[in-house]
Amino acid sequence: KAGVTQTPRYLIKTRGQQVTLSCSPISGHRSVSWYQQTPGQGLQFLFEYFSETQRNKGNFPGRFSGRQFSNSRSEMNVSTLELGDSALYLCASSSGLAFRPLYFGPGTRLLVL
Amino acid sequence: GNSVTQMEGPVTLSEEAFLTINCTYTATGYPSLFWYVQYPGEGLQLLLKATKADDKGSNKGFEATYRKETTSFHLEKGSVQVSDSAVYFCALSEEEYGNKLVFGAGTILRVKS
Repeated sequence: KAGVTQTPRYLIKTRGQQVTLSCSPISGHRSVSWYQQTPGQGLQFLFEYFSETQRNKGNFPGRFSGRQFSNSRSEMNVSTLELGDSALYLCASSSGLAFRPLYFGPGTRLLVL
Repeated sequence: GNSVTQMEGPVTLSEEAFLTINCTYTATGYPSLFWYVQYPGEGLQLLLKATKADDKGSNKGFEATYRKETTSFHLEKGSVQVSDSAVYFCALSEEEYGNKLVFGAGTILRVKS
């Protein structure tokens, strides 16, 4: 079974730009979650989508948004990039049922200059 | 709010030494508890989990017991190998579907041969 894939793996942007990251979950999984990982703040939950609907949301500003398509693939968008948005963005998929494990992708490393 | 506290690293051990990584949590209800591992350049992998008090999660020689009375979920392994060198994250979830995780800061483990 193929794992969670994220594209692109690396990205360099400048302040004020916007960026879109993509995540393809494991086949059959209907839930996709996004996390931001930084040395200072650690791993922080951004949001979760299940069957194209946002089911949970973390404490991030509205510049961070996401969506999920009918094939369960998900995209995350960050508008008006700030230097502090530089991070590893991790996507995780699961079946969405209770207490099922999350399977993480390798992440997209975003650098904002 | 919910939080997870892990012992600070890095933890440096010789091969075949005993490993303990401490993890304590604060939660308003009855969370599920997890240990994830992140190898260099990779995403997170679920190592083990426990969903209720006194449950013991185990995998690949690692164990952790859910202790409600001490709000702890310490990770142990009897004999570490060089290949266990990684970053270990303790996490909790109070969400029914377990997709909104609160992570600890992570503990770097280095095992020397």
